[in-house]
Amino acid sequence: DGQLVESGGKLVQPGGSLRLSCVVSQFSVYINYMAWVRQPPGKGLEWVAVFYSGDRTFYGESVKGRFTISRDTSKNTVFLQMNGLRVEDTAMYYCARVSDFLFDPWGQGTLVTVSS
Amino acid sequence: QSALTQPASVSGSPGQSISISCTGSSSDIGTYDYVSWYQQLPGKGPTLIIYEVSRRTSGISHRFSGSKSANTASLTISGLQPEDEGDYYCSSYTTSTPFDVVFGGGTKLSVL
Repeated sequence: DGQLVESGGKLVQPGGSLRLSCVVSQFSVYINYMAWVRQPPGKGLEWVAVFYSGDRTFYGESVKGRFTISRDTSKNTVFLQMNGLRVEDTAMYYCARVSDFLFDPWGQGTLVTVSS
Repeated sequence: QSALTQPASVSGSPGQSISISCTGSSSDIGTYDYVSWYQQLPGKGPTLIIYEVSRRTSGISHRFSGSKSANTASLTISGLQPEDEGDYYCSSYTTSTPFDVVFGGGTKLSVL
């Protein structure tokens, strides 16, 4: 089914930058669509960035212009570059494969905390 | 971003049946059959359990079932077990957002 392992989350100050990684095994990030979905503490799910058909990318309104999703097919890895971080970006960030408007499978998540 | 409405919490006793509703609009649930349900157990990442309204993913118990009527989808769990306790999220294809998927706000299931 596939395994996804996220990393890179940590405590960062407001205005800072961070790059998250998602190493994928058992399926290719080249031919599959991939997404980052976040979950603020005690709150629900929100997709933030999607790598979709024909190399199209989509971003949630709250992160547009600050976050960038990319991939390295040689390493079968998806990245999320986060710039201009805000306190409200504090969340668990999950990587997931996207298929037919659903997310499956998911990784275990990596925690990003934005605080001074 | 939550355009789908779920109850904040539901509860039930072991062995009982419960249902979780997910209400959208004609831009999503009312028109399209791409409704999914995710289970998130305490301290874990989400797991897909139902897709395309009523299809169970491999390995998911027959106690979990999905349905849809008009603009509302429902997840029913029969024979409730303590290990079912967790959060449940619905999602749907939608024409309302740049990327065609929207989540519900989530429902916390407590097994008393």
